[in-house]
Amino acid sequence: DAKTTQPNSMESNEEEPVHLPCNHSTISGTDYIHWYRQLPSQGPEYVIHGLTSNVNNRMASLAIAEDRKSSTLILHRATLRDAAVYYCILFGGSQGNLIFGKGTKLSVKP
Amino acid sequence: DVKVTQSSRYLVKRTGEKVFLECVQDMDHENMFWYRQDPGLGLRLIYFSYDVKMKEKGDIPEGYSVSREKKERFSLILESASTNQTSMYLCASRWDRILPQHFGDGTRLSIL
Repeated sequence: DAKTTQPNSMESNEEEPVHLPCNHSTISGTDYIHWYRQLPSQGPEYVIHGLTSNVNNRMASLAIAEDRKSSTLILHRATLRDAAVYYCILFGGSQGNLIFGKGTKLSVKP
Repeated sequence: DVKVTQSSRYLVKRTGEKVFLECVQDMDHENMFWYRQDPGLGLRLIYFSYDVKMKEKGDIPEGYSVSREKKERFSLILESASTNQTSMYLCASRWDRILPQHFGDGTRLSIL
């Protein structure tokens, strides 16, 4: 599976939008872009995934660049509960596992 | 919502003991996974299972075995626990290969 690059950490203020970037310049045509987050003392939680088009769900939006070499997870109004490590993962749909990198640690200030 | 339940949040065992970690999912998922998570090393796959009675080794299977007798249950077994198996253990399941994985809350296992 191709590699992703994310900033180690980001800060946000409560109730402001947050844009979490992810670079994946070696993405292949069949790779899906998955985002998970992990809150302290919990297992990872699925956030959103997409292939080519932008995606929205109740938790977040995923904006995918036209060349698919980067993507951005958008939290529209950050809350304190959104403080977590966010992982961007490429997944080619093989039978194997997801490969989690170091992710971005998001801090949210009141 | 999908529910993946791990039998214990915290567990303390002694070196040499046989340890069982249980995981149950309630969504009839085909695939189930066991990971361990350690600081600085991220999540690493131990074993996974595509279906009942089927299992595949992941990246770090040494010292572990698994059992999947029923679709909803996937057990991780530490045959003879050692201190280097002290870790957070995470179970996950998914419907099929392109859909997201759903994780349990983890079992923090300490081997003394």
